[in-house]
Amino acid sequence: GQNIDQPTEMTATEGAIVQINCTYQTSGFNGLFWYQQHAGEAPTFLSYNVLDGLEEKGRFSSFLSRSKGYSYLLLKELQMKDSASYLCAPSGNTGFQKLVFGTGTRLLVSP
Amino acid sequence: NAGVTQTPKFRILKIGQSMTLQCTQDMNHNYMYWYRQDPGMGLKLIYYSVGAGITDKGEVPNGYNVSRSTTEDFPLRLELAAPSQTSVYFCASTTGKGQPQHFGDGTRLSIL
Repeated sequence: GQNIDQPTEMTATEGAIVQINCTYQTSGFNGLFWYQQHAGEAPTFLSYNVLDGLEEKGRFSSFLSRSKGYSYLLLKELQMKDSASYLCAPSGNTGFQKLVFGTGTRLLVSP
Repeated sequence: NAGVTQTPKFRILKIGQSMTLQCTQDMNHNYMYWYRQDPGMGLKLIYYSVGAGITDKGEVPNGYNVSRSTTEDFPLRLELAAPSQTSVYFCASTTGKGQPQHFGDGTRLSIL
């Protein structure tokens, strides 16, 4: 079976750092995507991890541990525009990239 | 470069009506997907296609049909609309494994 677990909602203050965790159990694994989705909009790609470790991309970093079925997204120097849902999506080990999306973590950034 | 284009953006249907949600991409991507997203929920895969002429069912295919006659187009058909199909529908495409999926802006469908 496939199971993805993320916190439903998190709050943080502008300028702070927040870590959004994701644990997953999937039948086969190729890598893990993180997407950002603002309310009423389409998801947009943030990061992709295929190897264990930390991938840094500006204010956003993503970490993966394949053996633990665990990933996190780290957002630094939070801005109001970071208020959005963050979707964790592991990719199965098939060629056509079948993603399983979690319900997402809604992040509210306050002044 | 338009990316993934979905039409219409909004639609209200009556129970039992049929309609086609259009999706086209201009990036020459082989892989295309249809998802639905209910309020407060994640994206659920309805159908996907790995290339022209090839389609397959995802997690929630009941009540829907698709076709893929060209690389660019991947329409989703609702034959007998039901209230349970009220949702936001997203089309996405990608070049393949390890590459991000690009999403259209979505179609907001209400069935009353």
